[in-house]
Amino acid sequence: RKEVEQDPGPFNVPEGATVAFNCTYSNSASQSFFWYRQDCRKEPKLLMSVYSSGNEDGRFTAQLNRASQYISLLIRDSKLSDSATYLCVVHASGGSYIPTFGRGTSLIVHP
Amino acid sequence: NAGVMQNPRHLVRRRGQEARLRCSPMKGHSHVYWYRQLPEEGLKFMVYLQKENIIDESGMPKERFSAEFPKEGPSILRIQQVVRGDSAAYFCASSAEGRYGYTFGSGTRLTVV
Repeated sequence: RKEVEQDPGPFNVPEGATVAFNCTYSNSASQSFFWYRQDCRKEPKLLMSVYSSGNEDGRFTAQLNRASQYISLLIRDSKLSDSATYLCVVHASGGSYIPTFGRGTSLIVHP
Repeated sequence: NAGVMQNPRHLVRRRGQEARLRCSPMKGHSHVYWYRQLPEEGLKFMVYLQKENIIDESGMPKERFSAEFPKEGPSILRIQQVVRGDSAAYFCASSAEGRYGYTFGSGTRLTVV
């Protein structure tokens, strides 16, 4: 089983739609979780951290489910500019704190 | 500009040549990570360094690849005797404490011809 798994998509949604992505992780010692966004041929950029209690930033909501070992990202009222690949990042405790990236979920928002 | 600086942005090498990729972390960041991304694939961890130390190189191919982060100057990822399969985007990220959000450079796109 891969350490961090994401559905690659693509998720094709119309403007204004609500879309959700999940990401599962295998290491139960994982402690820190992030969502990054990567545009085509660009570097990944931090979208938001994911906290145990869940957190929201405008149209974006992130949730963590430790029992089932997954995190989610919900995007409300999708915009054309949300089209990108969304990367799930997981950090285990101990050791050298290597962040592990999922392969990413591709989102395409169309008019 | 206080961001992570990578150079060159694009690098073309013939098979058998050496490639040197440079990364200057953000000011105040002492942790550097190198990742490789093949077309249509995810980011694969290569090596994690702090100043003058390699902390984890579990993702580095055993041959031809090496990395350093000297006391002065940028971190260098060195690929000797490049082959076509080395063609990829190489991203460097830095962080302040090694466990919180990471800032990425714009990457170096290596093409081996």
